[in-house]
Amino acid sequence: AQKVTQAQTEISVVEKEDVTLDCVYETRDTTYYLFWYKQPPSGELVFLIRRNSFDEQNEISGRYSWNFQKSTSSFNFTITASQVVDSAVYFCALSIPMIKAAGNKLTFGGGTRVLVKP
Amino acid sequence: DVKVTQSSRYLVKRTGEKVFLECVQDMDHENMFWYRQDPGLGLRLIYFSYDVKMKEKGDIPEGYSVSREKKERFSLILESASTNQTSMYLCASSFRLALGIAATDTQYFGPGTRLTVL
Repeated sequence: AQKVTQAQTEISVVEKEDVTLDCVYETRDTTYYLFWYKQPPSGELVFLIRRNSFDEQNEISGRYSWNFQKSTSSFNFTITASQVVDSAVYFCALSIPMIKAAGNKLTFGGGTRVLVKP
Repeated sequence: DVKVTQSSRYLVKRTGEKVFLECVQDMDHENMFWYRQDPGLGLRLIYFSYDVKMKEKGDIPEGYSVSREKKERFSLILESASTNQTSMYLCASSFRLALGIAATDTQYFGPGTRLTVL
């Protein structure tokens, strides 16, 4: 069975501070995908990034960066120079291919609420 | 642009009522999913469908059923609503891809329906 743990339930920072969200996953599959989604107050989950298990390169996209380490089963997310608009709930998710559906079943962590104060 | 819509943002029903939640996507996706979101538990998969008239149980299907008569529409049905089904319900869709190491599909989410059962 798959499991995703986001140990931080809520993080509060002041604008321009950096914030790192932790994500630890468990799976016995060798092929899997990791995702981060953002859920702003409007409620809709917004896709941020996906990473497959064979690609351990870190990635940077603007103020966002991701650190994937298979050795520790972690896929952490850092927001640099946070802004008020970054206030949201962030979800880490693990995906295992489903043969019948030829798609992926997502297992989500509990989410981390980020509050950025001006 | 990717578009997944849900019939209602907020819904209030009484115990024992039959409830229909509708989801429509305009991206010609084969796969569609229903999740419920509860604080601290993240999103949990209720049912998914990989083709018209096809459905598969997710992790928490008890008390729910689904219907997929057309490719673009996926309905979640609560036959007899109960108070423990008060939750946020999120629909998602994705392409059905060929199997393979590089194959992945990103799930795109609707805005959610917040259901309250009194």
